[in-house]
Amino acid sequence: DVKVTQSSRYLVKRTGEKVFLECVQDMDHENMFWYRQDPGLGLRLIYFSYDVKMKEKGDIPEGYSVSREKKERFSLILESASTNQTSMYLCASSSPGRRVDGYTFGSGTRLTVV
Amino acid sequence: AQKITQTQPGMFVQEKEAVTLDCTYDTSDQSYGLFWYKQPSSGEMIFLIYQGSYDEQNATEGRYSLNFQKARKSANLVISASQLGDSAMYFCAMREGSFGNEKLTFGTGTRLTIIP
Repeated sequence: DVKVTQSSRYLVKRTGEKVFLECVQDMDHENMFWYRQDPGLGLRLIYFSYDVKMKEKGDIPEGYSVSREKKERFSLILESASTNQTSMYLCASSSPGRRVDGYTFGSGTRLTVV
Repeated sequence: AQKITQTQPGMFVQEKEAVTLDCTYDTSDQSYGLFWYKQPSSGEMIFLIYQGSYDEQNATEGRYSLNFQKARKSANLVISASQLGDSAMYFCAMREGSFGNEKLTFGTGTRLTIIP
């Protein structure tokens, strides 16, 4: 019954490293999203994609980029990781027209940058 | 400006009591959707309930109901007969945007603790 899979549950990286967070969904959803979650700030949208090779900036895109070469896979890239990017990262997918419960989340990746 | 406002960072409620979690929103769209999610300590996001902006009836799902007051831009979650397993973070979220280009915006959350 796996639907949205994030490749790592916990990740520790060094400052300046290039970091890839992978997300794969098996529901044939068109839309995919990357959020970061911080205490007291809730979930904030980083980037989203509504089609293969399409991407849109969310509310906090600075320091991040994304890649969507295939419909089922949406990657978040930290070009040069910094300590202020230590956070929980959540991937989600949805299908336009599924109005009610159409957003499915992965279990999250807790990234620590040292 | 915040699009989704949850003014209660934390709440403590006695087991079996009802609890109301507040949520107000801000949008100029006519068509939008409001969601509530539960996030237990395990970190997964669990969908609870949905209210469409054109829905005339308040949404209900088992012990969860959504008190939708459109003119006040309010979408409070009501949990009846609270249980220990209800202890978690609760997030209100709003879907905006046109078909195919929608996004979900979240509030800052409320941490609910149920006391035995």
